Amino acid sequence: EVQLVESGGGLVKPGGSLRLSCAASGFTFSNARMSWVRQAPGEGLEWVGRIKSKSDGGTTDYAAPVKGRFTISRDDSKTTLYLQMNNLNTEDTAVYYCTTDSLLTGYYTYFDYWGQGTLVTVSS
Amino acid sequence: QSVLTQPPSVSAAPGRMVTISCSGTSSNIGNNYVSWYRHLPGTAPRLLIYENNKRPSGIPDRFSGSKSGTSATLGITGLQTGDEADYYCGTWDSSLSAVVFGGGTKLTVV
Repeated sequence: EVQLVESGGGLVKPGGSLRLSCAASGFTFSNARMSWVRQAPGEGLEWVGRIKSKSDGGTTDYAAPVKGRFTISRDDSKTTLYLQMNNLNTEDTAVYYCTTDSLLTGYYTYFDYWGQGTLVTVSS
Repeated sequence: QSVLTQPPSVSAAPGRMVTISCSGTSSNIGNNYVSWYRHLPGTAPRLLIYENNKRPSGIPDRFSGSKSGTSATLGITGLQTGDEADYYCGTWDSSLSAVVFGGGTKLTVV
């Protein structure tokens, strides 16, 4: 059974930093492309970014609002995905979800498994 | 404002059918595959449809997806009160080099 468990959310002041983790199990993590998706209060889903598997280059892509501030990384030995968030602002307040990215077929992007999410609140 | 356009809400009676539209452009829906998700607040979103019209294991055939040109549609037949949720479409946008979602559609079964 695929399981994704996020942690690391909390309250942070504007300009601050936070690192989220996502512990993965039930699939071959090292072969998987992974994404982060967020949902701000009262808003819809918003893609944050993704990281490819090392065998696929290990490269990252980011949404425009977070590019240059957020960094996605992975530790395949720990089957854990990370999201380092710097220079946070109030618009980053959201529930952050860790997702697998096309685990079923491995090519075209879609999000097949999701964690329960972790809440990040940016407020002074 | 979302890149993909969905109606904010739809409603239908139990047992009936409903469709949810998702409109985009040639940069996204027109040249990429569409996926659909169901989301109940406080829970993890769930994949309903991937690659335009494929259902993952465990998703009943009451759910269907289609795409034509720069628009996609999610169909749900035999509506149940348990289908009440927010539904989102998503796809890759080749111009933005990013995944884009619709703004979400709230389904009410009344």
